[in-house]
Amino acid sequence: NAGVTQTPKFRVLKTGQSMTLLCAQDMNHEYMYWYRQDPGMGLRLIHYSVGEGTTAKGEVPDGYNVSRLKKQNFLLGLESAAPSQTSVYFCASSYIGWSSYNEQFFGPGTRLTVL
Amino acid sequence: DAKTTQPNSMESNEEEPVHLPCNHSTISGTDYIHWYRQLPSQGPEYVIHGLTSNVNNRMASLAIAEDRKSSTLILHRATLRDAAVYYCILRDGGGSNYKLTFGKGTLLTVNP
Repeated sequence: NAGVTQTPKFRVLKTGQSMTLLCAQDMNHEYMYWYRQDPGMGLRLIHYSVGEGTTAKGEVPDGYNVSRLKKQNFLLGLESAAPSQTSVYFCASSYIGWSSYNEQFFGPGTRLTVL
Repeated sequence: DAKTTQPNSMESNEEEPVHLPCNHSTISGTDYIHWYRQLPSQGPEYVIHGLTSNVNNRMASLAIAEDRKSSTLILHRATLRDAAVYYCILRDGGGSNYKLTFGKGTLLTVNP
């Protein structure tokens, strides 16, 4: 049981380049989330999904797109990377939505640098 | 979500108890108190949660004030592996709002 995995672990982009971050979970969770964490800050929610084929905006969605074509995968896309998107990106999943008893499981993170 | 206030940092010695405080004076009746921690260079991990009563699990204990305006995460015997940022988060138990609020948390340093 691998839990939540993220690909790649590190990436360096030039301004204007595009890329996709992949998140996979093998726990059959319905809900998946993408967060970003900037130095000295807590995590901020970018987008989330409440099930296969659904996505919704979180706190800081601008500049990102997501897709959930398969239940186990949640993709985060940057169409035209900007230096402000330099951050560590974490994916998480939970059995159902954030509630009193459902913990979120986080991946190890992807460190992205945009030059 | 209601706001929480935590100290920026705390320090402890190995094998001593640690009490990490969290103030949440605007907590609502349906808000659960969750704690997560983030070890260096890792994603956050769940620690414990509670509503009104004190809670214990293998990782920690959660003491909740009677008026619920504050809570304390207790690590009974700190180890070097407990050095992390600890986040106190409130979540509406009955809500469908998926927005989460991670503050800056408390950076716990454990001295050998």
